[in-house]
Amino acid sequence: KNEVEQSPQNLTAQEGEFITINCSYSVGISALHWLQQHPGGGIVSLFMLSSGKKKHGRLIATINIQEKHSSLHITASHPRDSAVYICAVRSDSNYQLIWGAGTKLIIKP
Amino acid sequence: DAGITQSPRHKVTETGTPVTLRCHQTENHRYMYWYRQDPGHGLRLIHYSYGVKDTDKGEVSDGYSVSRSKTEDFLLTLESATSSQTSVYFCAISTDSEFYGYTFGSGTRLTVV
Repeated sequence: KNEVEQSPQNLTAQEGEFITINCSYSVGISALHWLQQHPGGGIVSLFMLSSGKKKHGRLIATINIQEKHSSLHITASHPRDSAVYICAVRSDSNYQLIWGAGTKLIIKP
Repeated sequence: DAGITQSPRHKVTETGTPVTLRCHQTENHRYMYWYRQDPGHGLRLIHYSYGVKDTDKGEVSDGYSVSRSKTEDFLLTLESATSSQTSVYFCAISTDSEFYGYTFGSGTRLTVV
């Protein structure tokens, strides 16, 4: 079993829908990251969380440390949100990241 | 990507030849990382550095070596390229603070024929 599991692997939705991507992990962490990789390949850091909730524009990230679970939400989704969303956790035993396999999101107009 | 550049962006090389990829940062960040990304896999750490001349292996380090002689440069070398090393390689940088994320380079697409 992977230490970081994302669900779903693939998600297709219509423009305007509310999107939720989930990340569960099995190790102790000091932080959790959400990143976005566009079809062109560039990787952008969206959020780094150690507790609670963060919001940036239409993106919201939450984390429940006790349940070892995080969610990334996108409100009023748009075709430009189409990308691969990656969850990664920073192990609390070293400073390396453990990566999820990513969720491929397609938003149709 | 602001503050971090990778070169080359694309490279095709023959099996058995040495290849060096360069990552250059202008952020003065302590930590630098080399990852590879392959279909069906998440990013996998090859090597990382926590300071000048301080490097360590990641989960897929076989066949790769690195060097960091200056804060701003982190070099990844494939001593004798193999077809299994065809991949997209990403460099990343980070501070040692809990409150900052990672910045990634634009990637190098390497094809070994």
